[in-house]
Amino acid sequence: LMLTQPHSVSESQGKTVTISCTGSGGNIVSNFVQWYQQRPGSAPTTVIHEDIKRPSGVPDRFSGSIDSSSNSASLTISGLTTEDEADYYCQSSDDNYQVFGGGTKLTVL
Amino acid sequence: QVRLVQSGAEVKKPGASVRVSCRTSGYTFTGYHVHWVRQAPGQGLEWVGWINPNSGATMYAQKFQGRVTVTRDTATRTAYMELRRLASDDTAVYYCTRDRTPGWFDPWGQGTLVIVSS
Repeated sequence: LMLTQPHSVSESQGKTVTISCTGSGGNIVSNFVQWYQQRPGSAPTTVIHEDIKRPSGVPDRFSGSIDSSSNSASLTISGLTTEDEADYYCQSSDDNYQVFGGGTKLTVL
Repeated sequence: QVRLVQSGAEVKKPGASVRVSCRTSGYTFTGYHVHWVRQAPGQGLEWVGWINPNSGATMYAQKFQGRVTVTRDTATRTAYMELRRLASDDTAVYYCTRDRTPGWFDPWGQGTLVIVSS
């Protein structure tokens, strides 16, 4: 399984952005997808786990979805703020191996 | 409070080995796999491998097989990652993280910078 993300996305404050994570060489719906946010100089933190769940403390502006028809997962962030500017990584499993997408740099204009 | 605290930065010469520790607290150490993930400067996250602290079983990414060993000490609740035959492209921040549910990494250690330079 390989996970492909756009290298970068940008959107204005207050708007909505969606980051895609497309699977190849495997079925993305076979295992859960997680999304991590990483700010410069910090370890990743979870924004979405098990496809659609938000950990406590993550605003409901963050949502996850799966589209089996396109073998992809998506992270949607609404009401963008400058605090959302970060790198975002999708991650899933393939048998007992773990796979990360290449990461997407979100710029909030 | 679940915490993973890693050892400090290391500078190594090419061909050497490095051992990074990950001391855990706030949860049952033997109840959750511990994974290692690395991030080269300016690059994305790369999975290295995991250990089952209960059984000691391990699994590694194919890229690192034969060069990495992950171990644990249940008495001190600490996981270790040793990487051998270091090369300059092993320069990276190495993270340990708990597998909270199958495949969900949470939380992460603070990271350990390993620099490989002659």
